[in-house]
Amino acid sequence: GAVVSQHPSRVICKSGTSVKIECRSLDFQATTMFWYRQFPKQSLMLMATSNEGSKATYEQGVEKDKFLINHASLTLSTLTVTSAHPEDSSFYICSARAWDSEETQYFGPGTRLLVL
Amino acid sequence: GQNIDQPTEMTATEGAIVQINCTYQTSGFNGLFWYQQHAGEAPTFLSYNVLDGLEEKGRFSSFLSRSKGYSYLLLKELQMKDSASYLCAVRDNTDKLIFGTGTRLQVFP
Repeated sequence: GAVVSQHPSRVICKSGTSVKIECRSLDFQATTMFWYRQFPKQSLMLMATSNEGSKATYEQGVEKDKFLINHASLTLSTLTVTSAHPEDSSFYICSARAWDSEETQYFGPGTRLLVL
Repeated sequence: GQNIDQPTEMTATEGAIVQINCTYQTSGFNGLFWYQQHAGEAPTFLSYNVLDGLEEKGRFSSFLSRSKGYSYLLLKELQMKDSASYLCAVRDNTDKLIFGTGTRLQVFP
């Protein structure tokens, strides 16, 4: 099946710093990538939809200036959490949908962010 | 609004059968997905239903009734490794996946 990777898998940072998370589709081209956030014992909440070569579409309540998304190629999307605060600590998961598959999203392994 | 309901927790015995229900009310419907998620890991795809009826895939089956806004995931011959959270997700008319809160299944020997 299709493989999506995320890097880093785990990051600890100080409050006020910025953190970049990469999401890569390894064996297929992804026209659309999605970024989710999951707090403990809660379900995935969509943060934004990223289309290659265009601006990301953010969900209501998600600050676009705080969560910068860049989808520069068909295999890479990045999420940058700017000026991170402890309340941003969460599990961030990306998913990718192949250009020839409308059905399935393939999820990355997730990135656990802890802001001290 | 968007609403997807699943039971919070279920328990079952190894070798048994368990059915996890999901009801939904969403802005449009473009398919229903079931994902398995082990603690601390990302979800993995289990099944996709867009038409009414039963889809069988090995030990797992998924059923959909669009008129009732209802789906279930059926797990047969339960194994200890099936202990996980099971997420029901609906793709709405804007192509977004709306997730339920998940059902945590514990399988006991």
